Formats: sequence, C-alpha cells, structure tokens
Amino acid sequence: EAQVTQNPRYLITVTGKKLTVTCSQNMNHEYMSWYRQDPGLGLRQIYYSMNVEVTDKGDVPEGYKVSRKEKRNFPLILESPSPNQTSLYFCASSRGASYNEQFFGPGTRLTVL
Amino acid sequence: ILNVEQSPQSLHVQEGDSTNFTCSFPSSNFYALHWYRWETAKSPEALFVMTLNGDEKKKGRISATLNTKEGYSYLYIKGSQPEDSATYLCALGTDKLIFGTGTRLQVFP
Repeated sequence: EAQVTQNPRYLITVTGKKLTVTCSQNMNHEYMSWYRQDPGLGLRQIYYSMNVEVTDKGDVPEGYKVSRKEKRNFPLILESPSPNQTSLYFCASSRGASYNEQFFGPGTRLTVL
Repeated sequence: ILNVEQSPQSLHVQEGDSTNFTCSFPSSNFYALHWYRWETAKSPEALFVMTLNGDEKKKGRISATLNTKEGYSYLYIKGSQPEDSATYLCALGTDKLIFGTGTRLQVFP
C-alpha cells in the first residue's frame, strides 16, 4: 500500500531534550516536506527536500533540522525543543513540489513541557 | 511573503444545500493551485491540482474552477452531505506549497 508513515504519532517531552520524528514514504517520491499545524494558522512549511541531499528552509525553519540521506526517509530533528514547538506535525511527499498532489502522513502530535 | 487567503473561515449548511468557497492568491509566481480535504483526526487528502487558467475539475459532487489572471479559485459542493463535513484547504504551488488557513464546513442532517 502506498503510504507515508510517521513515528511517533504522539510524543510528550520536556524542554531541551533532543528528539527525532521519522518520516518514510514508499512511493519513490522525490519531493518531501514537513509542516506544522497550529490553530488559526493553517499548515506552515518547516523544511522541504527536492531530492536526496537537497534540503531547503520553508517558512518556519527556526529550531528544526532535517536530513535527506535516502530518498524514502526525511527525519525532522528538534535539537533543543521548546514549548513553542508544541504542535501537530505532518510529513508529506509527492513527485514534485508545485504540480503534484501531496500525500500526507498521519501526523505527529508533539507536546513540549 | 506570498499569502493565500480563503473565505469564509467557516460555514454551516443543511444537508442538501449546495455551497462554495473561495481561495485567493497572488497571480504572479503561479505554478499550480491545489485543493485538499481535511477531516478531523485524519490527514489532508488531495482533491484537485489545477494549472491552467479556466481549468475546471470535478470529482463526484465536488468541483473547482481556476482563474489565474485575477488570482482566485472556487470550490463547489453540490447537495452537501454530512460526510462532506471537513476543512477544505487550498495551496499555491510555487517552488513549495503555501497553504491557506482553510474553510471549515459543517453539514447538518
């Protein structure tokens, strides 16, 4: 089944404790991205990747890191989480950025205390 | 910063009513316009991706139109059903996707 998976689905952590949210897709998509969703603000892009070893900042990259060592995986790293990073995070993939529909993962709800 | 605006923010309709919402975007830097349907506790799912001025797309009772010259797209739902209740997102495709904040639709039986 074609899908985007994210882990964990739910996470409660404390300020400053490094964490990684994994994202994997099995559709051989070149484009992958991370979004955060906050009430009243819609989906905001954190980082995106056009292909392996190519990553770019989205609209809200501060406090996040990503890597794209393999085509299928695009982990999101929070080196030192803070409470303002409490949010719902979605990973998405597609064949391309602009012209192709995005396939979204199930979401990760992160709470930073 | 490119801005994508959607209106209304929320909409309550009776089952059987037809409804429509608007997505406005800057007409410069246009590559594509996406519509997504996002049900509560689920992930957004693509409805349409449109690229050409005058494009019209249809999926069942849902259809969308695109005007790239004036920078807007309409989403129409004919004969709304309770299962249409969701947030409808549009997104402007450039080198990345820029999402609007969505229109939350609730259809009452």
